Amino acid sequence: GAVVSQHPSWVICKSGTSVKIECRSLDFQATTMFWYRQFPKQSLMLMATSNEGSKATYEQGVEKDKFLINHASLTLSTLTVTSAHPEDSSFYICSARVPADHSNQPQHFGDGTRLSIL
Amino acid sequence: GQNIDQPTEMTATEGAIVQINCTYQTSGFNGLFWYQQHAGEAPTFLSYNVLDGLEEKGRFSSFLSRSKGYSYLLLKELQMKDSASYLCAVPRDSNYQLIWGAGTKLIIKP
Repeated sequence: GAVVSQHPSWVICKSGTSVKIECRSLDFQATTMFWYRQFPKQSLMLMATSNEGSKATYEQGVEKDKFLINHASLTLSTLTVTSAHPEDSSFYICSARVPADHSNQPQHFGDGTRLSIL
Repeated sequence: GQNIDQPTEMTATEGAIVQINCTYQTSGFNGLFWYQQHAGEAPTFLSYNVLDGLEEKGRFSSFLSRSKGYSYLLLKELQMKDSASYLCAVPRDSNYQLIWGAGTKLIIKP
């Protein structure tokens, strides 16, 4: 159980293109999902926390107008990288946790999306 | 502030045992997670500790000492497929966000 699916796995596109990444919880409902970015040989960097039915919470330094997050249902959150540029090239990973009032529920990760902007 | 420290890289031999340490400083404590991340892949959950002591799961065990702000992941009978980065993480707040360590890259040699 607790499977998270992320799509697409790879994106290669031209500078200026907007790219949408989907994150789905397949066998559970996720009121909260998390979006991370990871540059080569670096650790996970939390970009934002996606909350179903309300606005996402962005980490300091992350542009909300650049990285649009929509969490319209209990099983789907999307991240749109608007007008992507080469510096946005990175590995984007989403995660979700089975809702519970205890912190012992781990985050389960999608397979990640490797974004390359030419 | 909140901070997590892990060694950057470790090397071990196939069949041996390795211990990966993690020290943390948090304002509160709601447990500690260990994840494994193979190169180019997303992290996968390994263990969660909230009470002091050792939790064993097959070849992998995780230890916690809350008074010392310290945890370790113990990997036994190392296999080549265990070559990966190992990340420890602690919950940050009630929204269940995690604070992540930078990860320890484990290199297994034949």
